[in-house]
Amino acid sequence: GENVEQHPSTLSVQEGDSAVIKCTYSDSASNYFPWYKQELGKRPQLIIDIRSNVGEKKDQRIAVTLNKTAKHFSLHITETQPEDSAVYFCAASIGGGFKTIFGAGTRLFVKA
Amino acid sequence: NAGVTQTPKFRVLKTGQSMTLLCAQDMNHEYMYWYRQDPGMGLRLIHYSVGEGTTAKGEVPDGYNVSRLKKQNFLLGLESAAPSQTSVYFCASSYSINQPQHFGDGTRLSIL
Repeated sequence: GENVEQHPSTLSVQEGDSAVIKCTYSDSASNYFPWYKQELGKRPQLIIDIRSNVGEKKDQRIAVTLNKTAKHFSLHITETQPEDSAVYFCAASIGGGFKTIFGAGTRLFVKA
Repeated sequence: NAGVTQTPKFRVLKTGQSMTLLCAQDMNHEYMYWYRQDPGMGLRLIHYSVGEGTTAKGEVPDGYNVSRLKKQNFLLGLESAAPSQTSVYFCASSYSINQPQHFGDGTRLSIL
């Protein structure tokens, strides 16, 4: 079946450093790629998304890049802060967009 | 505007018991989803609905049933609970395909 692989599973950075999380997907028809942040005990919340007709999107300290040829996309967080500590999930649409498949998640620790 | 509301928040069941999880959204979204979240496995789609009166299977549908009799509600049923169904269950909704999903706070379900 279709899948999304996410790396690394755990990432520890110093406050102020950058963090990069990478994902690959298998369905060449995927055209929507959201990223969700989940704080401990809370619901997942969308932080940024990108569509297949765009190669890069930025929102303040967060950016996402997409390489459709290689079927991979990445999340970049610059100037990390302790409140960025959370689990981050990448996802990709499948089945014509009716379904979304999630990566296994990356636990980000930002050390003050 | 409450968004997506899940009830109950916690539940403990014995093996073989049945129960229904309720999801309600007040955003007039067409699409609704049920996921389960297990450690290290991200969010896995159980069932989804593309509109009132419709349901479809996701990645892990076995042992679960769903109903969408009203647009705002999406029910997840466990007919005969098994310990393997111990998990955190999240409901989500979206306006359309390839759109951000809005999640509820989750239901923590333990089956003994």
